[in-house]
Amino acid sequence: GDSVTQMEGPVTLSEEAFLTINCTYTATGYPSLFWYVQYPGEGLQLLLKATKADDKGSNKGFEATYRKETTSFHLEKGSVQVSDSAVYFCARGSQGNLIFGKGTKLSVKP
Amino acid sequence: NAGVTQTPKFRVLKTGQSMTLLCAQDMNHEYMYWYRQDPGMGLRLIHYSVGEGTTAKGEVPDGYNVSRLKKQNFLLGLESAAPSQTSVYFCASSYAGVPYEQYFGPGTRLTVT
Repeated sequence: GDSVTQMEGPVTLSEEAFLTINCTYTATGYPSLFWYVQYPGEGLQLLLKATKADDKGSNKGFEATYRKETTSFHLEKGSVQVSDSAVYFCARGSQGNLIFGKGTKLSVKP
Repeated sequence: NAGVTQTPKFRVLKTGQSMTLLCAQDMNHEYMYWYRQDPGMGLRLIHYSVGEGTTAKGEVPDGYNVSRLKKQNFLLGLESAAPSQTSVYFCASSYAGVPYEQYFGPGTRLTVT
């Protein structure tokens, strides 16, 4: 069935470091792809999205490019801040519902 | 505009007890969802609703029931709680036209002893 696989955490970075969180999806059709973020003690929020191949989603300095050839949607940020500490979930659309990866916890140290 | 709210925030149950979790949204969304979040498992869909009076099963529906009597409310019931239902429960809602852009509530932490 449809699934999403993302890199296991936790990931610990120093402030201003470069961030990559890998995400791959099963290639059933051409799904919409998403990154959601969960800050401590809160529900998930949509961070960015891409709906077709080669689309680049971006928000708050984060970017992810829909790569059909590698079935990937890796999340990147050039310079992380302490306030980016959160759990990041990759997700794909599937028959009207979302399928989430297991989440990657990011901790950014000052 | 409160968005998506959940009641209660925390609850402890004994095995076999029942309870209902309430989700309310004030965005006039057509679709509503219940998820559970467990360590290392991500979010898994329990039940969802595409409109008032309509519900459907998600990935992990066993042991739960739901009702959507009003468009703005979505109730999740546990008839006979089990320790395996210890989890954090999230409600979400979305417009019908963009079902993947979901708005989440703050969650309910449930412990079953």
